[in-house]
Amino acid sequence: SQQGEEDPQALSIQEGENATMNCSYKTSINNLQWYRQNSGRGLVHLILIRSNEREKHSGRLRVTLDTSKKSSSLLITASRAADTASYFCATDAWWDDKIIFGKGTRLHILP
Amino acid sequence: SAVISQKPSRDICQRGTSLTIQCQVDSQVTMMFWYRQQPGQSLTLIATANQGSEATYESGFVIDKFPISRPNLTFSTLTVSNMSPEDSSIYLCSAETREETQYFGPGTRLLVL
Repeated sequence: SQQGEEDPQALSIQEGENATMNCSYKTSINNLQWYRQNSGRGLVHLILIRSNEREKHSGRLRVTLDTSKKSSSLLITASRAADTASYFCATDAWWDDKIIFGKGTRLHILP
Repeated sequence: SAVISQKPSRDICQRGTSLTIQCQVDSQVTMMFWYRQQPGQSLTLIATANQGSEATYESGFVIDKFPISRPNLTFSTLTVSNMSPEDSSIYLCSAETREETQYFGPGTRLLVL
């Protein structure tokens, strides 16, 4: 299975600190995507990183990809209360367009 | 990007009935998918909706229970048939753009009594 698995499962940090979430997967991938889901809400696409990319930035978000270790990390800098949400990684393989989700990291930003 | 809408947004249904969920994308997309998300859980892929042909189902999901249609590039339906309380979940439609990014609809919250 190419399912991603996020680590940690839950994370609580103080507002203003940086939050780092990791995602590991099992098989070769084509793309890896990160999503955010606020409680009771839909999924919001954050970043797509392709297998030939190592790092991407979007605002306060930084995603890295290490295909040799089959892992990715999502860094949120200067966290805010509004960042409280569940974060999922999702992977797809080059031979298959369907994406498989990890279990998610529940991030809680403390005031 | 793609904007995806789903109808209904929520429903409460009786055991043994069926519900059809509609998914509409505002632009042509390459692929469409249906997921289920049970409370507090991650997303599980139900099937890939193929335009003009039968959907491709994942292990544990069958056409008789979850018939899917995709008559054109921007529209798909998922039917949850002969519902039981175990089918209570959020059902999400997603679509993949040519840039290989997947966008999700807001979900349909289903409660089966």
